[in-house]
Order: sequence, then structure tokens, then C-alpha cells
Amino acid sequence: DAKTTQPPSMDCAEGRAANLPCNHSTISGNEYVYWYRQIHSQGPQYIIHGLKNNETNEMASLIITEDRKSSTLILPHATLRDTAVYYCIVIGSSYKLIFGSGTRLLVRP
Amino acid sequence: EPEVTQTPSHQVTQMGQEVILRCVPISNHLYFYWYRQILGQKVEFLVSFYNNEISEKSEIFDDQFSVERPDGSNFTLKIRSTKLEDSAMYFCASSELGQLYEQYFGPGTRLTVT
Repeated sequence: DAKTTQPPSMDCAEGRAANLPCNHSTISGNEYVYWYRQIHSQGPQYIIHGLKNNETNEMASLIITEDRKSSTLILPHATLRDTAVYYCIVIGSSYKLIFGSGTRLLVRP
Repeated sequence: EPEVTQTPSHQVTQMGQEVILRCVPISNHLYFYWYRQILGQKVEFLVSFYNNEISEKSEIFDDQFSVERPDGSNFTLKIRSTKLEDSAMYFCASSELGQLYEQYFGPGTRLTVT
């Protein structure tokens, strides 16, 4: 499974969009990009995933670059409850999730 | 909305004792997982389980650990002889057969070994 790189921390103002980047330059053609988050010490929560097309659901949007070497998770209107650690995970052959250090997002009032 | 539940929420045990952590996965899910997170560290995969067999396990999941689906609803993680370094938050997760990477996590059991 490809390695990912994320900034250790970011912040944004409540009500504004939060754009969380992820670099996965070694991703291969059949590997998906998954995003999870972990609020405080709760269990990780699935957010969204994609292969090469942009995806949107009720929680977020996922923008994957054309070369698939990077992606951005967008929370369109961040709230205080979105403060969490966000994990970008590239998944290929194994069923297990390998969590990195993620990006700690702080949403400011 | 269906959710994964775990009991107990906090377990304190003495070193060398056996503990069983319990999980009730989402009812129509067929894949089950255990992960752990030592305080301040990353979430680590322990084991995946399908069709009453272990599908995959990590190096952490040694002979001290075992998993079982004793009935149609529960999924358990047993640690035979706990060590201080087993102190961690243990998360159970489950997923549907066709959505293996959309894993739904429980709230966790905090295990403290003294």
C-alpha cells in the first residue's frame, strides 16, 4: 500500500471550508484513497473514499488530482465538532487500515 | 443508525491476568476487526476475522491474543496474560462484505494493566 504524507496540523474558522491535503505520490492504479477521522479518543470514523473521480457525500468532498498523486478532503462548512485528527489512507491489496499520524484539524470559533 | 458497541468501556486488570473485550458488530456486517491505540500513538491494526477464521493478523497479535465469535452477535478479543504494555484503547470495527474498507468502529475499551 502506498505511503501518504499529511501536514501535522491545520486550523480554520468555524463556518469556513477546511481543505486538508494528502500526498500519495507512489499510489498505483488500483489503489483507493480513503479518509477517516478520529474525534478526541473516539473510534475512527469513515468519511469518504475515491479512486480517480471527485466524490461528494453528506460529510465531505474528495478531490483527487488527475495524476492521482495527491488529494484534498474538503469540509465545506466546518463546525467545532469537526475538530479531529484526519487520516488519509491508501488501500490496495490488504483489508487492514494503516493509520499514519494524520492531520490534526482545529476549528476555531 | 446501527452502530458497533463495545463492553466494558474501561477495564482495569493486574499484570498476568486474562481479559476479554467484547464487541457487538453491526448486524449485517460479515468482516470484523480489532485495532488498538496506545495513548498518544497511532491506531494499529491487530486482526481481521471473516467466516469464523482469522483473515489477517499483525505482528502485535501474538500467541497471547485470540479472537472468537462465540455466537451470532458477539465478537471477542482475549488477552491471556496481560502485560503493562498492553495498556491501550482497543477498538472493534466491522464492515460489509462488499465494502471492506468502510469500517465502522466502536467507541473503544480502555484497558489499563497495573
